[in-house]
Amino acid sequence: DAGVIQSPRHEVTEMGQEVTLRCKPISGHDYLFWYRQTMMRGLELLIYFNNNVPIDDSGMPEDRFSAKMPNASFSTLKIQPSEPRDSAVYFCASSLGGKGVTEAFFGQGTRLTVV
Amino acid sequence: GNSVTQMEGPVTLSEEAFLTINCTYTATGYPSLFWYVQYPGEGLQLLLKATKADDKGSNKGFEATYRKETTSFHLEKGSVQVSDSAVYFCALSGMDTGRRALTFGSGTRLQVQP
Repeated sequence: DAGVIQSPRHEVTEMGQEVTLRCKPISGHDYLFWYRQTMMRGLELLIYFNNNVPIDDSGMPEDRFSAKMPNASFSTLKIQPSEPRDSAVYFCASSLGGKGVTEAFFGQGTRLTVV
Repeated sequence: GNSVTQMEGPVTLSEEAFLTINCTYTATGYPSLFWYVQYPGEGLQLLLKATKADDKGSNKGFEATYRKETTSFHLEKGSVQVSDSAVYFCALSGMDTGRRALTFGSGTRLQVQP
């Protein structure tokens, strides 16, 4: 398996523009997570899905952020309008549910710079 | 709610030195515990895990034991290498659907000098 695939790897955009980050989870995984990593705040959970349904979106900073999972193999995180303080590395991760807890597998991240 | 506390970094060691990175947690129920490692410019990789009290996770010479009585999961390695230089994250996860997301500590940067 190719692992969790995120695109793009790097994104530079101007303040006010819409940004869409994409994620393809590992096939068969039923949990998908979006995290944001900054020096100041570390790793923050933004939202996660189970079987394509959002379970907890309490970490989404504000209404400018939205996430969707239209099917089991694709998710997007959208920021509209973007602001310089959104600059961070955004990680997508997926895991397998069922009995017990299994580890989350992370993508390589999207480094977002808003200028 | 759940939380994880790690020792502040950076930790700077000479090659072949003994490593300990402390991690304590607060959680409801019986979480699973993890150590992840992040190399520069990369995503997080699972290093080891433990799913119940007294379990010992191990991988690549690293070990950590799930201590319920002290709510700790300290990471240890007997002899570090330069290639171990990275940021290490302690994390926990619950079993319920509503608590599946990993809660991470702040990370500890390890620098190993030749």
